[in-house]
Amino acid sequence: QQQVKQSPQSLIVQKGGISIINCAYENTAFDYFPWYQQFPGKGPALLIAIRPDVSEKKEGRFTISFNKSAKQFSLHIMDSQPGDSATYFCAAGAHAGGTSYGKLTFGQGTILTVHP
Amino acid sequence: ETGVTQTPRHLVMGMTNKKSLKCEQHLGHNAMYWYKQSAKKPLELMFVYSLEERVENNSVPSRFSPECPNSSHLFLHLHTLQPEDSALYLCASSQDRFDVSGTGSYEQYFGPGTRLTVT
Repeated sequence: QQQVKQSPQSLIVQKGGISIINCAYENTAFDYFPWYQQFPGKGPALLIAIRPDVSEKKEGRFTISFNKSAKQFSLHIMDSQPGDSATYFCAAGAHAGGTSYGKLTFGQGTILTVHP
Repeated sequence: ETGVTQTPRHLVMGMTNKKSLKCEQHLGHNAMYWYKQSAKKPLELMFVYSLEERVENNSVPSRFSPECPNSSHLFLHLHTLQPEDSALYLCASSQDRFDVSGTGSYEQYFGPGTRLTVT
C-alpha cells in the first residue's frame, strides 16, 4: 500500500518532443506529490510538486497532471531538450503515525534521454 | 558551502573495515535523513532525525549506525558491511513545521551522495 509505481523505466525522446512519465499510488493518505530530477553524480533535486487539491501545476516547461480518483499523476516535459536528460523520480508524501516530518515514498525512477 | 554536502564522495571498504559517512546541511533545517539508492530500485529511507532525535529506523541492519550530534550534522557509521550494501548513500534535510494543521514540510533537499563499494 505504500508503493508508488512509476513507468516507463526508460524513455527516449527527440529534441522538441514531449516527455511523459507516469506514476500510480494506492495509499489515499498521500497528500503531496513531488517530482525529483537527478543527474549523474548528483543527488536528486526537487523539480516540481503538487497537492491533491489541484489537478494541474505548471512551471515553465514542466507540468504535473494529477488525477485523484484514479490515484495517478504524471510529469510532462514540453519542448524536451538534451539538457533534460536525467533520471526522474516521482514520490508521494504522507505524515505517518502523526509525525511532524514529511515521509516520502519514491518510485523506481525513469531514465530520460533526449536526442538532439 | 551551500545546501547539503556529503563526504567522502567515494568510499571503498573491505567487509571488516569501519568507516563513517558525513553529511552537513547549511540550510538551517531541523530534520535530516539517510537514504540508500541502489540501481533500478526506489530510494530506500533508512533513518530520520527530527530535532536531533531519531524518529524513524526502517528496519536497517545494525551494521549501519547513525548519529546526529546537532541539527546541521549527520553521520552514518559503517562496520562489517556486506557486498550487497554497495550503493549510493544520500543525505537529505527538510524543515519540519510543528504546527497543529499537520502540514509539515515535505521539501527534502539532497546532498550529492557517497558512492560506497564494499569488497
